[in-house]
Amino acid sequence: QVHLVESGGGVVQPGGSLGLSCEGSGFTFSIFAMYWVRQAPGKGLEWVAGVSYDGTNKYYADSVKGRFTISRDDSKNTLYLQMNTLRGEDTAVYYCARARGTVAMGGYWGQGTLVTVSS
Amino acid sequence: AIQMTQSPSSLSASVGDRVTITCRASQGIRNDLVWFQQKPGKAPKLLIYSASILQSGVPSRFSGSGSGTDFTLTISSLQPEDFATYYCLQDYSYPWTFGQGTKVDIK
Repeated sequence: QVHLVESGGGVVQPGGSLGLSCEGSGFTFSIFAMYWVRQAPGKGLEWVAGVSYDGTNKYYADSVKGRFTISRDDSKNTLYLQMNTLRGEDTAVYYCARARGTVAMGGYWGQGTLVTVSS
Repeated sequence: AIQMTQSPSSLSASVGDRVTITCRASQGIRNDLVWFQQKPGKAPKLLIYSASILQSGVPSRFSGSGSGTDFTLTISSLQPEDFATYYCLQDYSYPWTFGQGTKVDIK
């Protein structure tokens, strides 16, 4: 069965950096686009970034463009999110999600990892 | 970015009630709309994709309709396990965008 497991969350100071990982199993990782979605405490869902199945196309929310970088390593079945110049408003639970087919949002999500930006 | 306006932001209903949630896109998105259910502390659960296709395993009391800019999620007979927050998402063009959410609680 499909599993997605995020890791790398923690507490970081404003202006700092943090890298998240999402390891997939139970499916052929290399044929699916992958996404990051976040949820600030008590708030709604926000789509953060996406990467195509082959890693050539990357997309970002305006709120993170230029600060976050999404990438993937298909040899390790792992999705990454490198977050730089972090702000308080980046505090959230970060989920990874798998596409349904080549692009569209799918129903497989990880359990989430909490990132707290605070001094 | 496409704006998704979801309404209402919250509603109170009783078991057995018919519940309707709407989502309006700021521009046409064909039928590229997804509905999620989320319970506290849990990852979102996909209910409906392509505006009207029920995800495998989701009860048939959930249904979706619409295309272009106006979409609806309907729960035909609310069950105790349906009290949750519901979100729409447009996966038509990047950046993808969610609606603000609709919290369904017990009247």
